[in-house]
Amino acid sequence: DAKTTQPNSMESNEEEPVHLPCNHSTISGTDYIHWYRQLPSQGPEYVIHGLTSNVNNRMASLAIAEDRKSSTLILHRATLRDAAVYYCILRAASNTGKLIFGQGTTLQVKP
Amino acid sequence: DGGITQSPKYLFRKEGQNVTLSCEQNLNHDAMYWYRQDPGQGLRLIYYSQIVNDFQKGDIAEGYSVSREKKESFPLTVTSAQKNPTAFYLCASSIKVGGRLDGELFFGEGSRLTVL
Repeated sequence: DAKTTQPNSMESNEEEPVHLPCNHSTISGTDYIHWYRQLPSQGPEYVIHGLTSNVNNRMASLAIAEDRKSSTLILHRATLRDAAVYYCILRAASNTGKLIFGQGTTLQVKP
Repeated sequence: DGGITQSPKYLFRKEGQNVTLSCEQNLNHDAMYWYRQDPGQGLRLIYYSQIVNDFQKGDIAEGYSVSREKKESFPLTVTSAQKNPTAFYLCASSIKVGGRLDGELFFGEGSRLTVL
């Protein structure tokens, strides 16, 4: 399974946009890029996923580089409830459907 | 409401005892998964099942067993062979679309197992 690399932690101010980066230089042509987030002592929550084109939903936007070797999760206006661990994951399209989680990025949001 | 229910939420076990964690979903999802999470770490895949009566080992299956006799149920047994079972256990499910499992995973709220 291809690997992703994320910063261990990031900080943001409330009401400001947040850009969470993810590198996945070994991504294959059929891997989907998934993002999940997890609050303390809860199960992860799906945020967004994409293949090649940028994607938007009510929670966030996903910007995918043209070569697909990196992507960025964008939270347009951070709130205190967005403080969580954010996981960037590659999911093969074959498939078993299994996701391999890395360490993720811990996002702190300051009021 | 549709969702995934894990029970119990908290469980204490003495060393040498087997324990079974329940996971039930009413989403009519085809695939189900078990993950383990240790403090400050990401999730690691224990077992997964794409269809009833079939399951595969994940990355850390040793000391665990599962069954998938019904589509909606995927219980996990933590056996006495698991050397370090204290952890947060998460169950998830996903739907098959067009014969593929590449959509989102839905997670339960987790079961926290502590071995005394």
